[in-house]
Amino acid sequence: NAGVTQTPKFQVLKTGQSMTLQCAQDMNHNSMYWYRQDPGMGLRLIYYSASEGTTDKGEVPNGYNVSRLNKREFSLRLESAAPSQTSVYFCASSGGHHGNEKLFFGSGTQLSVL
Amino acid sequence: DAKTTQPNSMESNEEEPVHLPCNHSTISGTDYIHWYRQLPSQGPEYVIHGLTSNVNNRMASLAIAEDRKSSTLILHRATLRDAAVYYCTSNQFYFGTGTSLTVIP
Repeated sequence: NAGVTQTPKFQVLKTGQSMTLQCAQDMNHNSMYWYRQDPGMGLRLIYYSASEGTTDKGEVPNGYNVSRLNKREFSLRLESAAPSQTSVYFCASSGGHHGNEKLFFGSGTQLSVL
Repeated sequence: DAKTTQPNSMESNEEEPVHLPCNHSTISGTDYIHWYRQLPSQGPEYVIHGLTSNVNNRMASLAIAEDRKSSTLILHRATLRDAAVYYCTSNQFYFGTGTSLTVIP
């Protein structure tokens, strides 16, 4: 049971570089999410996608873009990485309407921007 | 904006009950309350959720205040494997900052 798969697990970038974090789920879920986790800040929502073809901003969207490529995949792109984007990034998915169904999380991507 | 607050840390003796509180100051009428827990170097995992009534499952119980402004996650007998950071959220947009639970043998 793969569940939610994130790649890469670790990444180091230099300021100004770009990269894409990949996320895929095999549970046929409609909704997918990207969160970041910083010490003392808990989980903060960056973007979410309630269904294939739709995306919406969360609490901290600045500096990020997302693509819901198909029902399985939801990618997060950093166009010009900044040290403030050093964080652990989690992708999640849920089966039903936003907020009602439980979230399934991936194992995270630890990103360092130097 | 929905705001969710939790104590930073709590301790419990092994095999004792643990009550983890959460305040949902701006919860709306249709927001479900969810709890998740996170072990070191892992993603959060679902524990329990509910809307208005108290809920039980094999992992824990969830008590929801009548006005829904607060909830309590209840672990009936804490074990060492329950040591984790516990997060509550009222709409999956805004998570609390988490309560780090230490279980003392």
